[in-house]
Amino acid sequence: DQQVKQNSPSLSVQEGRISILNCDYTNSMFDYFLWYKKYPAEGPTFLISISSIKDKNEDGRFTVFLNKSAKHLSLHIVPSQPGDSAVYFCAASANGATNKLIFGTGTLLAVQP
Amino acid sequence: NAGVTQTPKFQVLKTGQSMTLQCAQDMNHNSMYWYRQDPGMGLRLIYYSASEGTTDKGEVPNGYNVSRLNKREFSLRLESAAPSQTSVYFCASSVSRGSAKPQHFGDGTRLSIL
Repeated sequence: DQQVKQNSPSLSVQEGRISILNCDYTNSMFDYFLWYKKYPAEGPTFLISISSIKDKNEDGRFTVFLNKSAKHLSLHIVPSQPGDSAVYFCAASANGATNKLIFGTGTLLAVQP
Repeated sequence: NAGVTQTPKFQVLKTGQSMTLQCAQDMNHNSMYWYRQDPGMGLRLIYYSASEGTTDKGEVPNGYNVSRLNKREFSLRLESAAPSQTSVYFCASSVSRGSAKPQHFGDGTRLSIL
């Protein structure tokens, strides 16, 4: 039973346009959500997070939106750059659960020059 | 700034052999984690250590053991390797248990079991 789902295995976007990556979750106890970015042969690197008490968090070109009623979050990248091409993982945790993360399966973003 | 260091980066084993994957962090983090990543499966938690001296099972602990040697080091051992354990293994660390802080990952160990 996949508690965190990323239904789009891949996404292709033109440089300068917006990239929107989506993530759905089923566990209503999740209260902290993160996005990680992963390049080939490297470990995941933390990108941005959001607590369930917020519905939006912004950091430069990256914005994460959380819709608790729909159990859905999305990552917006504006403008997209070729260096953003990577696999993006959504992850979630329930507070008090020793910070264990449940990861989605990832979305491969390709930003075309 | 080394962050989280994993050794080795690559390893090929035969079925039945044993192997210990090493992980060390220099960020003075309390919590450490071991994940495996398989195609189409994302990252799955094998074991974690919320603090020095404690370890607990994650989602997929069968066939593995761990040791939290000290605050810096957390090792993962395969006692009798099986082909199903072919995967990329990631170690991670975070500031403390129960806090909304991101985990920091090493670059992984690619393990193939023949």
